[in-house]
Amino acid sequence: AQSVTQPDIHITVSEGASLELRCNYSYGATPYLFWYVQSPGQGLQLLLKYFSGDTLVQGIKGFEAEFKRSQSSFNLRKPSVHWSDAAEYFCAVVTGGGNKLTFGTGTQLKVEL
Amino acid sequence: DTGVSQDPRHKITKRGQNVTFRCDPISEHNRLYWYRQTLGQGPEFLTYFQNEAQLEKSRLLSDRFSAERPKGSFSTLEIQRTEQGDSAMYLCASSLARLAGGPYEQYFGPGTRLTVT
Repeated sequence: AQSVTQPDIHITVSEGASLELRCNYSYGATPYLFWYVQSPGQGLQLLLKYFSGDTLVQGIKGFEAEFKRSQSSFNLRKPSVHWSDAAEYFCAVVTGGGNKLTFGTGTQLKVEL
Repeated sequence: DTGVSQDPRHKITKRGQNVTFRCDPISEHNRLYWYRQTLGQGPEFLTYFQNEAQLEKSRLLSDRFSAERPKGSFSTLEIQRTEQGDSAMYLCASSLARLAGGPYEQYFGPGTRLTVT
């Protein structure tokens, strides 16, 4: 069965430092991958997506992610974190008919000032 | 605001009561999804509609759960005889559908937080 693993439950970084959030997927074919962010009391906001083509994808708020088929990974990166980036981040893969999403368990990001 | 809206945002109910949640998708979106999110977990798929047809239901959706999307517009999710284990955030999402070229992204509403006491 298709699945997504986010190995880091919590990550703390200092404001201005770089960030990398890990995501590993299990899927036989070329996956459709997404990163979403969820702030307290808010719904999920799409940061970026990968369907095919260039393996480095750019998203909103200065985020980018790199698809690496050999490592089954789709890690999210940001060169310089802002305090407003503190939130929970979810990696997701499209699974089955209807394009429903299977999510990882999320990574809670804390930003120290 | 033309995003996905959900009502109510919070619901507290006693065990055994019935509850109903509403989702209004982005108007031109023909697909509508329901997910459930418990504390410390990512959202889990419950069911989805294409227009008014309910095309798939997860095993998570017990017989106490029913969802409708009359006329292919808004959707309702009803839980009968609520149990404490039903306490969760219920998220609605909508998207367009296409036959090839990869999926359109799903846009999520703010969710309905259900607490069963």
